[in-house]
This record gives sequence, C-alpha cells and structure tokens, in this order.
Amino acid sequence: EVQLVESGGGLVKPGGSLRLSCAATGFTFNSYSMNWVRQAPGKGLEWVSSISHSPSYIYYADSVTGRFTISRDNAKNSLFLQMNSLRAEDTAVYYCARTRKPFTGAFDIWGQGTMVTVSS
Amino acid sequence: QSALTQPASVSGSPGQSITISCTGTSSDVGGYNYVSWYQQHPGKAPKLMIYAVSNRPSGVSNRFSGSKSGNTASLTISGLQAEDEADYYCSSYTSSGTPCVFGTGTRVTVL
Repeated sequence: EVQLVESGGGLVKPGGSLRLSCAATGFTFNSYSMNWVRQAPGKGLEWVSSISHSPSYIYYADSVTGRFTISRDNAKNSLFLQMNSLRAEDTAVYYCARTRKPFTGAFDIWGQGTMVTVSS
Repeated sequence: QSALTQPASVSGSPGQSITISCTGTSSDVGGYNYVSWYQQHPGKAPKLMIYAVSNRPSGVSNRFSGSKSGNTASLTISGLQAEDEADYYCSSYTSSGTPCVFGTGTRVTVL
C-alpha cells in the first residue's frame, strides 16, 4: 500500500527547533518529488516546501525561508523538515505529500499529518 | 505569492449541482494547465480530486469535474450527496518563484 507517515510533531517554545520526518512505503521514493504542506488550526492549506527526487531543486515559501530546511534520504525512503526559530504562527498540522507523476503540480498521496504547537 | 481566491462557502440540496470558482492570475491559473482540486473532510488529510484542470484520479467519482477559463478555474459537483460535504481547495503551479499556491478554501454544505 502506498503510504506516507509523518512523525516528530509536538509542543515547542518560541525560538525553538523541531525536526519532522515522513516515512514513505509502497512506491519508489527516489523517483518522486516531495512536499510539505501545513494547515493552521481552522485555516486553509499552505504550501511550505518542495524537494525534487534527486534532490537538485528545493523551494520554500517566503514565510519559512531561512528558518526551515527540507531534505530527504532516498536510501531510507524518508523526507525531513528541520524547523528552526519557530514562531507562534508556525503552529499547524504539517502534512507530507507526494508530487504526482508525470508532473502536473498535483499532490496525489498525503500523510495523516503531525501537529506542531509553538507556545510558551 | 498570494493565495488563489475561492468563495468561502457554497451550498446545495442533494441531487443538485454546485460550482466552486478559483481565481488567480496569468502567473498561475491562467498561465498553466496545472490546476488541482482537493477535498478535505474534518480532521482528515486532503484528497486529490482533480489534476491538470479536468482529470480525475482513479477512484474519484465522475460527479466531480473541472474546467478553466482565463485566470479562473472551476470545480463542479453534480448530483450532490451528503458525503460531498467537506472543504475544497484548489491549487496551481506558479511561475512566481514558488511551485505551488493553494486557494483560500470553500466549505461545501449539503442542505
């Protein structure tokens, strides 16, 4: 079964750090671009970051540039999001999602999400 | 990159058809045939319903259809059913330095 499972969320103080992980199973992870998307409580979806399969290409939303780092370990079928200098506005459910192939910009597989709460 | 504009809410009775709009610019919706639509039930992860403007992934009901005209894309749900009550988000590829922008989201209510 094609599946993505996020982990690593939790409660962190403002200015703190957290590292999210996403474990992929059921597909050839190293041939797909991957993404992080977040959703603040009661709010809409916000794209956070994308990484190509190789990973030659990396993109960030302006709201996280310079604070978040996306990475992947193709040998371990895993995607990561290192989050530093966390702010209250980073509080959200964080989803990892697979970019559909061939490329159309769509995210066809999503994880169940992991909650990140930034609060003192 | 500003979010794409969607109506906050749309409602309809069972069996009716409803249409959700998604308005962007020539740098996103209008510039590429890379508009997607997602359905999200409360507490659940989003689910891809439409990709590349009008294509349905395997397993998605043919009651869902997509289209685009200029800078505005649309999702139509025909034969509305109770299970269609959910939040719907559009997204588009964008040339504005980031590869993805989501819409503001639309709450669909089945009366």
